[in-house]
Amino acid sequence: LAKTTQPISMDSYEGQEVNITCSHNNIATNDYITWYQQFPSQGPRFIIQGYKTKVTNEVASLFIPADRKSSTLSLPRVSLSDTAVYYCLVLPRAGNNRKLIWGLGTSLAVNP
Amino acid sequence: DVKVTQSSRYLVKRTGEKVFLECVQDMDHENMFWYRQDPGLGLRLIYFSYDVKMKEKGDIPEGYSVSREKKERFSLILESASTNQTSMYLCASRTDRGSGHTEAFFGQGTRLTVV
Repeated sequence: LAKTTQPISMDSYEGQEVNITCSHNNIATNDYITWYQQFPSQGPRFIIQGYKTKVTNEVASLFIPADRKSSTLSLPRVSLSDTAVYYCLVLPRAGNNRKLIWGLGTSLAVNP
Repeated sequence: DVKVTQSSRYLVKRTGEKVFLECVQDMDHENMFWYRQDPGLGLRLIYFSYDVKMKEKGDIPEGYSVSREKKERFSLILESASTNQTSMYLCASRTDRGSGHTEAFFGQGTRLTVV
C-alpha cells in the first residue's frame, strides 16, 4: 500500500481558500487518490477521489500533478463548519484492497 | 439514504464484562470493518469481513473477536473488557463493485468507556 504523508495540522480563517497537500511517492499505476473528512464525534465521510489532473465537486477540488506523487485538496472559502480532520488515502481499484488503512490525517482549524 | 447503524452511541461497561457492539448496513455491501479511534493514534483497524462468516484480522485484533452471520450485520465482541479498550469504535462498510475507489460509509460511532 502506498504510504501517504500529510501535515498534522493547519489553521485558517473564514473565507480563505485552504490547500492541503498529501505526498504519496510510491503510488502505483492502479492507485486512486481519495480524501475523507471527519467531524468530531462522527465517522469519516468521503469527499473526493481522483486519478490524475483535476477533479472538482460541490465540496472541494483535487489537483494531481502528472507524476501523481502528490495531490492537493483545495477547499474554497472555508467556513467554521469546515473544521475537521482530512484524510488522504491511496488505494487500488475496488476489490484489490479491502483493508482501508488510515493515517493520522490533517486537523484543520478554521477561525472566525 | 444509505445507512450504517451502530447499536449504541455511548456505552459504559465494567472491567471483565463481555461486550457486544453491533453494526448493521442496508447497502448490500460485501465488506465491513471495525476500527477504534484514539487521540493521536488515528483510526486503527481491528477486524474486517469480506463476506458472510469470513473475517480477517486488522492491525490490533488482540482482545477482540467478530461475528458475521448475515451480510448486513457485523458484530464486535470484547471477550473481557479492560480499561485500555476505552475508545471510540467505528463501523464501516464498503462494496467491491464499481470502478475506482468505492467509498466507505461509516456509522456514527460508539464511545465505549470501561470502568
